[in-house]
Amino acid sequence: SAVISQKPSRDICQRGTSLTIQCQVDSQVTMMFWYRQQPGQSLTLIATANQGSEATYESGFVIDKFPISRPNLTFSTLTVSNMSPEDSSIYLCSVPTGGGDTQYFGPGTRLTVL
Amino acid sequence: DAKTTQPNSMESNEEEPVHLPCNHSTISGTDYIHWYRQLPSQGPEYVIHGLTSNVNNRMASLAIAEDRKSSTLILHRATLRDAAVYYCIQRKGQAGTALIFGKGTTLSVSS
Repeated sequence: SAVISQKPSRDICQRGTSLTIQCQVDSQVTMMFWYRQQPGQSLTLIATANQGSEATYESGFVIDKFPISRPNLTFSTLTVSNMSPEDSSIYLCSVPTGGGDTQYFGPGTRLTVL
Repeated sequence: DAKTTQPNSMESNEEEPVHLPCNHSTISGTDYIHWYRQLPSQGPEYVIHGLTSNVNNRMASLAIAEDRKSSTLILHRATLRDAAVYYCIQRKGQAGTALIFGKGTTLSVSS
């Protein structure tokens, strides 16, 4: 199994500012995934982050708005840039299990933008 | 990943079995059926997955129809802690690809 921690657990931010969310895994993983969960909604995949290469973004998400870093095999950051109230969501990171068949999820970062 | 269809919500009583249905009529031969659940204020957690045969683990059972176009997650004795959103996900067999979530079924459990 993998233990995933995220920082911060929650934050309240002003519109126009940026927030960087950290994701730490207790084991080395090649792939990390970032999801967004808007209020009352399901999870939407933002991007896949592989160590040593540029993140791959899903349709509707762009690097300028959600830059991702992946400096090593246990850590990643997601920045939510130039925030607006519509960015208020829970942001979760996730990693595949060793065999890749299933995924573990972090506890999420609850972001509120005023 | 192709789309699955689940009821928006279901209700159950504590200690009764729960059958959560899922339709995946576009499933192909290499697609697996995965179930995850999300407890309140937590990230999703893995429940069970299967390809063709019925599967059992300590959390639940997964019954897959013979034509594979539908499946049922079975919680044998619901507890209050089982109240969650249950997601049925049809996923191609490649290891490491990200899960794509649908809307899921919100399960309520009453004492």
